[in-house]
Amino acid sequence: GEDVEQSLFLSVREGDSSVINCTYTDSSSTYLYWYKQEPGAGLQLLTYIFSNMDMKQDQRLTVLLNKKDKHLSLRIADTQTGDSAIYFCAPHGSSNTGKLIFGQGTTLQVKP
Amino acid sequence: DAGVTQSPTHLIKTRGQHVTLRCSPISGHKSVSWYQQVLGQGPQFIFQYYEKEERGRGNFPDRFSARQFPNYSSELNVNALLLGDSALYLCASSWDLGETQYFGPGTRLLVL
Repeated sequence: GEDVEQSLFLSVREGDSSVINCTYTDSSSTYLYWYKQEPGAGLQLLTYIFSNMDMKQDQRLTVLLNKKDKHLSLRIADTQTGDSAIYFCAPHGSSNTGKLIFGQGTTLQVKP
Repeated sequence: DAGVTQSPTHLIKTRGQHVTLRCSPISGHKSVSWYQQVLGQGPQFIFQYYEKEERGRGNFPDRFSARQFPNYSSELNVNALLLGDSALYLCASSWDLGETQYFGPGTRLLVL
């Protein structure tokens, strides 16, 4: 079945880089998304990568995709305290539907 | 431009009652999806609607139903509420099936 795995918790110091990793099972995903959720809020779209790409850079964010290993990562450069949140990777389940598949998310704690 | 809006923001119900949650998509978006997020978990896909037709359904009981109106807004209905239905219900819209989904702030439902 479709599954997404992420480590539950990551703690970094302000100014360091953060790397959040994700593995998934559905190889038919055409787009793979990263969303951010702050406490009590909805999901904010951060960035996404198309499945035929290896890397995408968007300001402080770098997404790496290893399609062979079904591994996705999000690197946040110069992490700030405002980056503290839960991060979800969400492969697109199928090109025929809009179903996004979420894991438990990674809680990023940024210490001053 | 206004983002996805949801109402109400919070709701308290008792077991056995019925609830209706509402969602207005981003202007121009024709697809609406619903997700349930239980505390500490990632969102789980419930339904997707496109052009007023159901185009996807997650693994939820028949107590859950939804519909989409000609103006592309949507309602999620849950009958015979159970304690386990307590969750954040998220609505997401996209301009077409399979396109990027943008989430609303959610409706937090508490069932007592």
